[in-house]
Amino acid sequence: DIQMTQSPSTLSASVGDRVTITCRASQSISSWLAWYQQKPGKAPKLLIYKASSLESGVPSRFSGSGSGTEFTLTISSLQPDDFATYYCQQSLGFGQGTKVEIK
Amino acid sequence: EVQLVESGGGLVQPGGSLRLSCAASGFTFSSYDMHWVRQATGKGLEWVSAIGTAGDTYYPGSVKGRFTISRENAKNSLYLQMNSLRAGDTAVYYCARGRTPYGSGSLYFDYWGQGTLVTVSS
Repeated sequence: DIQMTQSPSTLSASVGDRVTITCRASQSISSWLAWYQQKPGKAPKLLIYKASSLESGVPSRFSGSGSGTEFTLTISSLQPDDFATYYCQQSLGFGQGTKVEIK
Repeated sequence: EVQLVESGGGLVQPGGSLRLSCAASGFTFSSYDMHWVRQATGKGLEWVSAIGTAGDTYYPGSVKGRFTISRENAKNSLYLQMNSLRAGDTAVYYCARGRTPYGSGSLYFDYWGQGTLVTVSS
């Protein structure tokens, strides 16, 4: 099985900051990576698929990049609504999550 | 508007059974693979089962032989029969629509239900 490892586990940031979350795969997964946002008590929401394709309706401050084994999710200017936990996903496996909290 | 609504969660004793349902609307249910994903309190996401459009089913080792996924296309409904439940199965269970636009490796979940809580405890 391919293992997905996210870093950091927790990230403290302020509104307006540029935020980057990394996801590493234990072996090459081409560009088959998705990113989700989850807020407490809510279901995950798809943000990015195929590593860099923005899901319809998702703000353009979210972007994804990478291929092979290393991927990043970037929020260009953190907004109050963005404080949440973010997960990467490849096929049937998920990363352990990165909580973005207020600094 | 795509909607997925889970039901059937609750408190069950270890060794007991529970059947979850997911009512789908707003899309052609029979044309999509469907999945169950769970999340224990404070923990990450764990894929639990999948069913293809042809009725083919898939499970991870942690639930294989205990859980059964099924679908009823005429009712736009997805089910998860859970038997021999353990404390470790305690979680919120989400149904999710799967998309594989570029082949099986490209799977992602584009719509999720709100989840239903299953608690296994004596």
